[in-house]
Amino acid sequence: GAGVSQSPRYKVAKRGQDVALRCDPISGHVSLFWYQQALGQGPEFLTYFQNEAQLDKSGLPSDRFFAERPEGSVSTLKIQRTQQEDSAVYLCASSLGTSGRTVHETQYFGPGTRLLVL
Amino acid sequence: AQSVTQLDSQVPVFEEAPVELRCNYSSSVSVYLFWYVQYPNQGLQLLLKYLSGSTLVKGINGFEAEFNKSQTSFHLRKPSVHISDTAEYFCAVSKTSYDKVIFGPGTSLSVIP
Repeated sequence: GAGVSQSPRYKVAKRGQDVALRCDPISGHVSLFWYQQALGQGPEFLTYFQNEAQLDKSGLPSDRFFAERPEGSVSTLKIQRTQQEDSAVYLCASSLGTSGRTVHETQYFGPGTRLLVL
Repeated sequence: AQSVTQLDSQVPVFEEAPVELRCNYSSSVSVYLFWYVQYPNQGLQLLLKYLSGSTLVKGINGFEAEFNKSQTSFHLRKPSVHISDTAEYFCAVSKTSYDKVIFGPGTSLSVIP
């Protein structure tokens, strides 16, 4: 079956531009997560959705970062006025989420979007 | 705050040799522990996880890990590696079943033919 897909796979932006990154989770998965992975580091949690509700956005680094999942399936991570320090791979993951956000459920990761801000 | 330490940033090993990737975590409470693998140009994939019960956890692709509470460690092992095991390996921890997952910096495993 289809896994988590993300688009675009690569994005080059000029500093100050807005970007939008898309995540298509596995069909039927309730929980959706966004992570930021800087070069040479592990992923860092950004935000979590359960269906369309954004239950945790504690990892968003600034108010320039915004995520939405309006219909409880596809999610978009938007970064406004991009800065060079935003350059990273942005990972999306989904899980069944039938019991809320629980580590007992495996998160399935997409291939990521590599963002380079010049 | 929780943190995960992976002391070895790069581990080269010959094909068919055993390997151990080290992971230590800091937490004063019960934790859930994970190992993920990231192959080149692919997303992260769960190798194994420790939630409770037996401290020896077996995962996919012949990997296993042992939870040692007294040493706050969760080292990953494989008795005989293959070229296809070349990848980045991440150890991760979560404090509770509803808490966010904290990832370590990763260990790059290179299997040499």
